[in-house]
Amino acid sequence: GQQVMQIPQYQHVQEGEDFTTYCNSSTTLSNIQWYKQRPGGHPVFLIQLVKSGEVKKQKRLTFQFGEAKKNSSLHITATQTTDVGTYFCAGRGGTSYDKVIFGPGTSLSVIP
Amino acid sequence: DTGVSQDPRHKITKRGQNVTFRCDPISEHNRLYWYRQTLGQGPEFLTYFQNEAQLEKSRLLSDRFSAERPKGSFSTLEIQRTEQGDSAMYLCASSPRVAGAWEQYFGPGTRLTVT
Repeated sequence: GQQVMQIPQYQHVQEGEDFTTYCNSSTTLSNIQWYKQRPGGHPVFLIQLVKSGEVKKQKRLTFQFGEAKKNSSLHITATQTTDVGTYFCAGRGGTSYDKVIFGPGTSLSVIP
Repeated sequence: DTGVSQDPRHKITKRGQNVTFRCDPISEHNRLYWYRQTLGQGPEFLTYFQNEAQLEKSRLLSDRFSAERPKGSFSTLEIQRTEQGDSAMYLCASSPRVAGAWEQYFGPGTRLTVT
């Protein structure tokens, strides 16, 4: 079945450093979504990417969808303590048109 | 508050008991999802509704789990004969009916502890 993997599992950065998390799917995706979950909270939708090679920016966050629509990345420039949390990618597609499969997440810690 | 709501927020039950959780999605959202999340893991897909129709159910889900969305609005998730391995956070999410908009809005979750 469809699998979604993310690396790294954990990342500790000094405030002001950059951060990148990578997401890979075992199958081609129709779209990919990114979510952020703060400690003790629930996942919150950040963005959706649909087109091959698509790049979207939200302030210090840059999201990219691979040309083959099987991988994606999230890059945060100059991290802040408010960026702390777990970032999940979620892929839609593969054998099931509607089901969304979440990756295991990358947990980001920011040292002030 | 017009977000997704879930009830109860916490449930402690003894092994073998049945439990039922409720999810109220954002009004006018026709898609509704149930997930299970354990510590350090991503949300694990359980089942999906479009309006009142249950379109997909995870093969990981045993027959002890059942979900309904009778009028296409709120949904319930029932776990029969609970086991300690069922202890987890159960998340509900809804998604709008707009074509191409697949973003999901999550509720606060129901934390289940089976003793």
